[in-house]
Amino acid sequence: DQQVKQNSPSLSVQEGRISILNCDYTNSMFDYFLWYKKYPAEGPTFLISISSIKDKNEDGRFTVFLNKSAKHLSLHIVPSQPGDSAVYFCAASVKGSSNTGKLIFGQGTTLQVKP
Amino acid sequence: KAGVTQTPRYLIKTRGQQVTLSCSPISGHRSVSWYQQTPGQGLQFLFEYFSETQRNKGNFPGRFSGRQFSNSRSEMNVSTLELGDSALYLCASSPTGGWGYNEQFFGPGTRLTVL
Repeated sequence: DQQVKQNSPSLSVQEGRISILNCDYTNSMFDYFLWYKKYPAEGPTFLISISSIKDKNEDGRFTVFLNKSAKHLSLHIVPSQPGDSAVYFCAASVKGSSNTGKLIFGQGTTLQVKP
Repeated sequence: KAGVTQTPRYLIKTRGQQVTLSCSPISGHRSVSWYQQTPGQGLQFLFEYFSETQRNKGNFPGRFSGRQFSNSRSEMNVSTLELGDSALYLCASSPTGGWGYNEQFFGPGTRLTVL
């Protein structure tokens, strides 16, 4: 049962344009969401997070939007740069003693930013 | 501050053997989580340790085990290796784990190949 889904395996955008990566989830108990970026042969790098009490969080070129009614979140990268080319993972967690330290990940979207 | 370190980075074993992987968290972080990444299943949660106690466990067989030491360093062990255990094993640390909202910071991973 895939609780976190990234339905687009890949995305290609032009340098300077906006990249929009999408993520859907099924578990309404999720209350914290994160985005990670991963380069080959490296571990995931934390990018940005959002609590379920918010609908938007911004950090520099990265903005995450959360639509709880649609169980959907998205990551916007503006402007996109070639160095942003990587695999992006959406992850979710549930607060509570039985869920400590556990993130549930989507399958990832490979972003290619063309110069 | 040094990041999460994992040793060894690469490992080749044969079926039936056992293996021990090591993880040193970011200084001051007390929670260590382990994940398995495979092409088919993506990133899956193995277990989480906090103050030398396993607080949470994923859906993996008992061949997968771990421990945490008083300095927060952690090891995971896989006994009676199977071909399907070939994967990238990632360790992540966070200050407190799942009670609050803490991002997890990942190490570079250990690539295990079982022949």
